[in-house]
Amino acid sequence: DAKTTQPPSMDCAEGRAANLPCNHSTISGNEYVYWYRQIHSQGPQYIIHGLKNNETNEMASLIITEDRKSSTLILPHATLRDTAVYYCIVRVRGGSQGNLIFGKGTKLSVKP
Amino acid sequence: DTAVSQTPKYLVTQMGNDKSIKCEQNLGHDTMYWYKQDSKKFLKIMFSYNNKELIINETVPNRFSPKSPDKAHLNLHINSLELGDSAVYFCASSPSLTRGEFFGPGTRLTVL
Repeated sequence: DAKTTQPPSMDCAEGRAANLPCNHSTISGNEYVYWYRQIHSQGPQYIIHGLKNNETNEMASLIITEDRKSSTLILPHATLRDTAVYYCIVRVRGGSQGNLIFGKGTKLSVKP
Repeated sequence: DTAVSQTPKYLVTQMGNDKSIKCEQNLGHDTMYWYKQDSKKFLKIMFSYNNKELIINETVPNRFSPKSPDKAHLNLHINSLELGDSAVYFCASSPSLTRGEFFGPGTRLTVL
């Protein structure tokens, strides 16, 4: 079973920031938070990951709470092409990357 | 400018046949993977290659044999196909074992 919970859906206006929350209250000390997204009928797309510090890359920012029990993915300027299902997962990093167990994810709809 | 590509996208074949799925990445990544999507939300890692060397070989029947002719390619050959092999197979690549994966579009294999 997935170890994360996310809201089933969210709407965001084009050009605005999209903030997607994720709860992972049972995360272990050696588990990282990874975010992926999947556009219908395509493979998953890696977005970002982090352990405890906030992370930023060209796609998004990841804010992890100090107790690591929740995180927020931020798409700073959402576009219509960001409409997808977003998955937050926790997994061990290094060595075997292991299996990917997606929960239900959050369906983000970016509207004009 | 496809990053990770797989061929074919659909593969329908009879039990007992031998088939191959090809994967290529043009991202310059060192690590490539094969995943099997057992259900809609569960991607099980099968193999991982790092610089053409097999790193991860999960419990997969030896009818499945990966081949990496160079860093940009990781092909999957399956002998004596069985009904239970029907699934979507995803190829992926990443800059290293500890970084997030970029997935191909998937190959839907149907064994009749």
